Amino acid sequence: EVQVVESGGGLVQPGRSLRLSCTATGFIFDDYAMQWVRQAPGKGLEWVAGISWNSDTIKYADSVVGRFTISRDNAKNSLYLQMTSLRTDDTAFYYCAKAAGDPTYFDSWGQGTLVTVSS
Amino acid sequence: IVLTQSPGTLSLSPGERATLSCRTSQSVSSFYIAWYQHRPGQAPRLLIHGGSRRATGVPDRFSGSGSGTDFTLTISSLEPEDFAVFYCQLFANHRFTFGPGTKVDIK
Repeated sequence: EVQVVESGGGLVQPGRSLRLSCTATGFIFDDYAMQWVRQAPGKGLEWVAGISWNSDTIKYADSVVGRFTISRDNAKNSLYLQMTSLRTDDTAFYYCAKAAGDPTYFDSWGQGTLVTVSS
Repeated sequence: IVLTQSPGTLSLSPGERATLSCRTSQSVSSFYIAWYQHRPGQAPRLLIHGGSRRATGVPDRFSGSGSGTDFTLTISSLEPEDFAVFYCQLFANHRFTFGPGTKVDIK
């Protein structure tokens, strides 16, 4: 069974940093692109960042470019999101999502981890 | 490209038909349109990809259609577990864009 499980969320002050992790099981991790998607309280889904299977292609949403860094360790079946200079509007549930073989959509999602940015 | 979904909220009874609209600000290939269901406290669930292809395990009461700038998700007969928020999603230039969502709630 395909599973992705996020961790690392929590309460952090504005301007500080936080690193999210996503551990994948049930599929050949290094065959697939991976993504981070977030949902702020009361809002819809927002794509945050994506990384190709071999880390050659990395893309970010305009709202996080220069502050967030996506990376992966295929040996550990893990995806990461390093978040710096956090702002209150970064408060959201952050979901790890597996891209399909045709990487134009997400075919598996985690339950999410909550990041709260507040003083 | 901006995605617009309508209506914002759809209030229906079990057994009724739901028709959800997703419009793009520019013409796109339906190949790059997907639909998701999101229930509170749960992971989003893929329903449709490639505009009209049901994901594995998705009941056939869910169907996707459309072309150009107008795309539709139809639920032929609502079951109690179908009440949720539905998002359309576009893939373009290695980036993903979601629509604002349509909430389908119980009338």
